[in-house]
Amino acid sequence: DAGITQSPRHKVTETGTPVTLRCHQTENHRYMYWYRQDPGHGLRLIHYSYGVKDTDKGEVSDGYSVSRSKTEDFLLTLESATSSQTSVYFCAIGSDGNQPQHFGDGTRLSIL
Amino acid sequence: GQQVMQIPQYQHVQEGEDFTTYCNSSTTLSNIQWYKQRPGGHPVFLIQLVKSGEVKKQKRLTFQFGEAKKNSSLHITATQTTDVGTYFCAGSGNTGKLIFGQGTTLQVKP
Repeated sequence: DAGITQSPRHKVTETGTPVTLRCHQTENHRYMYWYRQDPGHGLRLIHYSYGVKDTDKGEVSDGYSVSRSKTEDFLLTLESATSSQTSVYFCAIGSDGNQPQHFGDGTRLSIL
Repeated sequence: GQQVMQIPQYQHVQEGEDFTTYCNSSTTLSNIQWYKQRPGGHPVFLIQLVKSGEVKKQKRLTFQFGEAKKNSSLHITATQTTDVGTYFCAGSGNTGKLIFGQGTTLQVKP
């Protein structure tokens, strides 16, 4: 698999707490993505980045923010987690906006 | 906005039977990609189709891209238990972003 590492792999937290998920790549790809996966909804794009400090919203961006200060790292932050954000979060990387993406192993996040 | 619909949502087949999943877009696509996700795993890229009417094969898997570049299909001949998983199509349209279908989950009974 492509060099993508997500951390943590599992997290349980309480409503109202801040949560940050990290995606680290060693492939030097320009594009990085955050998706959430929920039953019946497939993969939904939260935010993506097309370069250092260049980010844009996806279809389900409310309640989430991102930052990319280095090519290798893309952070997803839930400022004040809600139970509706319980999900599996996948990071993906790609060389171009519409080219094949390579996914990390995912983070299972539970918000109680 | 652009939508990508995939059917069926679930399919149970007996080992050895064929399987097909269909993908339809509300807009013309520049390309279509297919991914497979094993249970508990992450999506893995299978193939990309770019040309109108394109057909590609990977062993028992046949991928087609429609003439109008708005639909696609994945056909598996003689399924095996190793084919179990969820198959996603993802289309790229005029927004330049990939939009994923909801996926088809395939169960294969040995």
